[in-house]
Amino acid sequence: KNEVEQSPQNLTAQEGEFITINCSYSVGISALHWLQQHPGGGIVSLFMLSSGKKKHGRLIATINIQEKHSSLHITASHPRDSAVYICAVRAYNTDKLIFGTGTRLQVFP
Amino acid sequence: EADIYQTPRYLVIGTGKKITLECSQTMGHDKMYWYQQDPGMELHLIHYSYGVNSTEKGDLSSESTVSRIRTEHFPLTLESARPSHTSQYLCASSEYLTSGTETQYFGPGTRLLVL
Repeated sequence: KNEVEQSPQNLTAQEGEFITINCSYSVGISALHWLQQHPGGGIVSLFMLSSGKKKHGRLIATINIQEKHSSLHITASHPRDSAVYICAVRAYNTDKLIFGTGTRLQVFP
Repeated sequence: EADIYQTPRYLVIGTGKKITLECSQTMGHDKMYWYQQDPGMELHLIHYSYGVNSTEKGDLSSESTVSRIRTEHFPLTLESARPSHTSQYLCASSEYLTSGTETQYFGPGTRLLVL
């Protein structure tokens, strides 16, 4: 069993829909990252969270440390949001990130 | 825009060849990482570095080596390429801000095919 699990694995949506991607982890962490990987492989860091909630444009990330769970929300989704969204956690006392397998999102016009 | 570069972007090579994947960043970051990613799978850490002359093994490091002679440069070497090395290799660096936030910057990746 992976230490970082994401759901769903694949997600399709119509333009304008509200999207939620979930990440659960089983280790104690000092931080959680959300990353976006576009076709072709380029990866962009979206958020780093250690508690609470962060917002950047149409993206919102939340984390519940007690429940070991984080969500990434996309409001008013757009076809350019189509990508793989990856959750990664940094376990306590380590500089290594543990990655989920990603959620593949396709947003259709 | 991240200033982290990888070369080559694509490489097709025969079994047994020695190859070096290059990674450079111009942001002055001390921490750098190499990851391997198969299609549709999670990233796996191969090696990482805390700074010059510092290198550490990750989860998949047994068949590769790295060096960190300069802050900006973190090359990965496969001494004898095998078909099982066919994958995408991603280099990254990270920056910790005084606010406690960490940002990871990824290079564009090198897609390696070993025949």
